[in-house]
Amino acid sequence: DVKVTQSSRYLVKRTGEKVFLECVQDMDHENMFWYRQDPGLGLRLIYFSYDVKMKEKGDIPEGYSVSREKKERFSLILESASTNQTSMYLCASSGTSIRETQYFGPGTRLLVL
Amino acid sequence: GENVEQHPSTLSVQEGDSAVIKCTYSDSASNYFPWYKQELGKGPQLIIDIRSNVGEKKDQRIAVTLNKTAKHFSLHITETQPEDSAVYFCAASGDSWGKLQFGAGTQVVVTP
Repeated sequence: DVKVTQSSRYLVKRTGEKVFLECVQDMDHENMFWYRQDPGLGLRLIYFSYDVKMKEKGDIPEGYSVSREKKERFSLILESASTNQTSMYLCASSGTSIRETQYFGPGTRLLVL
Repeated sequence: GENVEQHPSTLSVQEGDSAVIKCTYSDSASNYFPWYKQELGKGPQLIIDIRSNVGEKKDQRIAVTLNKTAKHFSLHITETQPEDSAVYFCAASGDSWGKLQFGAGTQVVVTP
């Protein structure tokens, strides 16, 4: 059974803190994605990675960075958290075909105070 | 880039009735259109998808139709059941990396 896990379900951080969100997949997928989900806005792509140490900006990369040191792990980093980064963060992975299914983790709900 | 609009934002139906969610897209190069279902506390899960060379696809009580000329596609759920209550997202992709552009989502509530 395919599985994408995220390190935390809920996180509360202070403004200015550095925040790490971790995602691990067990499907040997090449592609991994970080999305942000906000009511009325759907899922918006922050960054994606198509290989180890490779990354590409998505639609809303400002204020975020990513790291992919191993194929199975993709980390999202908020260098200095701000209140407007309070949101649900979803990680996904997929194979390399154009029409591959993306498999999502359960999400991390981040509150920045 | 691609822009996907989804309507309605909320949909309340009686159990046993049908539900229809509609999406439009802007990029004529898009050729893959998946639908995801997100239950409370979970990540989205693929329920059905359609490729651009197909006009309609059905899987039990769920069907998707695609009109490439008009650039719109729809999800149809027949004989709705309480377990169909969830948020549904449409998406479109023509990107070589498999990136998806999602609609804003539709909250479906099925009342007994």
